Amino acid sequence: AQTVTQSQPEMSVQEAETVTLSCTYDTSESDYYLFWYKQPPSRQMILVIRQEAYKQQNATENRFSVNFQKAAKSFSLKISDSQLGDAAMYFCAYRVSSNTGKLIFGQGTTLQVKP
Amino acid sequence: DADVTQTPRNRITKTGKRIMLECSQTKGHDRMYWYRQDPGLGLRLIYYSFDVKDINKGEISDGYSVSRQAQAKFSLSLESAIPNQTALYFCATSDRTGTGGTEAFFGQGTRLTVV
Repeated sequence: AQTVTQSQPEMSVQEAETVTLSCTYDTSESDYYLFWYKQPPSRQMILVIRQEAYKQQNATENRFSVNFQKAAKSFSLKISDSQLGDAAMYFCAYRVSSNTGKLIFGQGTTLQVKP
Repeated sequence: DADVTQTPRNRITKTGKRIMLECSQTKGHDRMYWYRQDPGLGLRLIYYSFDVKDINKGEISDGYSVSRQAQAKFSLSLESAIPNQTALYFCATSDRTGTGGTEAFFGQGTRLTVV
């Protein structure tokens, strides 16, 4: 069975600094997708970034980028120039490239941004 | 209006009561999902549906049932609520077309407390 692990329950960063959130996963599949979701206090789940496993190039979305290490089954999220609005819970998620669309989530990491 | 709407947003109920959480979507997506979020556990899949006649159990379906009344509506029921069903519940949708990287759209969650 596929599993996703986020080993950092809480992280903090100074405003304007860079922070990296860790995620590891376990799967026997070769074709899959990885996602980072942000959940602010409003509870809304917001897609931050996605990565296709067959792509070696790391995905980037503005201040958000990932470090995807397929052999190590690692998928970390780097937030550059942290802003107060980045404070939220972040979930790493996995989806196998089949037709079910099911997402498997990690435990979540709460990010605090200090002014 | 939100693309995925959940009602109620918050609910307190008593042990043994039957309760229904409702979800409706305007995305036109075939696939709908119910997830449960618990602290330290992330989101876990309860049920999912590909269309009105295709409903499938997720990893934690015990104690829950669902109904897909129409393509746009997917309800989750707790037949006899118990305190350990206290959690944040999310409905999500995704499109059948495209690849596994297709974005999932989430409602704003229902905070359920069973006392």
